[in-house]
Amino acid sequence: DQQVKQNSPSLSVQEGRISILNCDYTNSMFDYFLWYKKYPAEGPTFLISISSIKDKNEDGRFTVFLNKSAKHLSLHIVPSQPGDSAVYFCAARKYNNNDMRFGAGTRLTVKP
Amino acid sequence: ETGVTQSPTHLIKTRGQQVTLRCSSQSGHNTVSWYQQALGQGPQFIFQYYREEENGRGNFPPRFSGLQFPNYSSELNVNALELDDSALYLCASSYSQGMAGELFFGEGSRLTVL
Repeated sequence: DQQVKQNSPSLSVQEGRISILNCDYTNSMFDYFLWYKKYPAEGPTFLISISSIKDKNEDGRFTVFLNKSAKHLSLHIVPSQPGDSAVYFCAARKYNNNDMRFGAGTRLTVKP
Repeated sequence: ETGVTQSPTHLIKTRGQQVTLRCSSQSGHNTVSWYQQALGQGPQFIFQYYREEENGRGNFPPRFSGLQFPNYSSELNVNALELDDSALYLCASSYSQGMAGELFFGEGSRLTVL
């Protein structure tokens, strides 16, 4: 049962433009959401997170938006850089629960 | 500060065999989680170990088992291997069990079952 979905397997953007990666979830009990980035031959690395009590969290070029009513979150990267090219995973969990659910990932390619 | 390390990085087994994968957690972390990532999918939670005891399990059969040692390193054991067990196995460590914080992943062990 796939409770976290990333419906776009890939995304290509031009350097300097905005990248928007989307994620939907079905379990309304999720209250903490994370984005991970994965380069080839490396493990996923934490990028940014957001608690359900917020609707936006910003860290440098990266901003995550949460729309609880729509059960949707998105990651914005502005401006996009070629080094951002990687697979991005959306993840969600219930507070104090160790079972983190991941989406299937979106492969972002930023073209110079 | 050393990160999460996993061994072996690649291995090939045949159906019915058993495999043991190893993980050393990041310095200062007391919790280890194991994930299975099949091709084209996101990581799926197998189980978590905290203070040497299993602390939560995903939808995986009992032939997937684990251990955590006093130094917080961990092993994942899979018995009676099946073709569908072919995947990247990721170990992740964290500061505590039920936290809201992020996981720190190793590079993974890629298992191929023939």
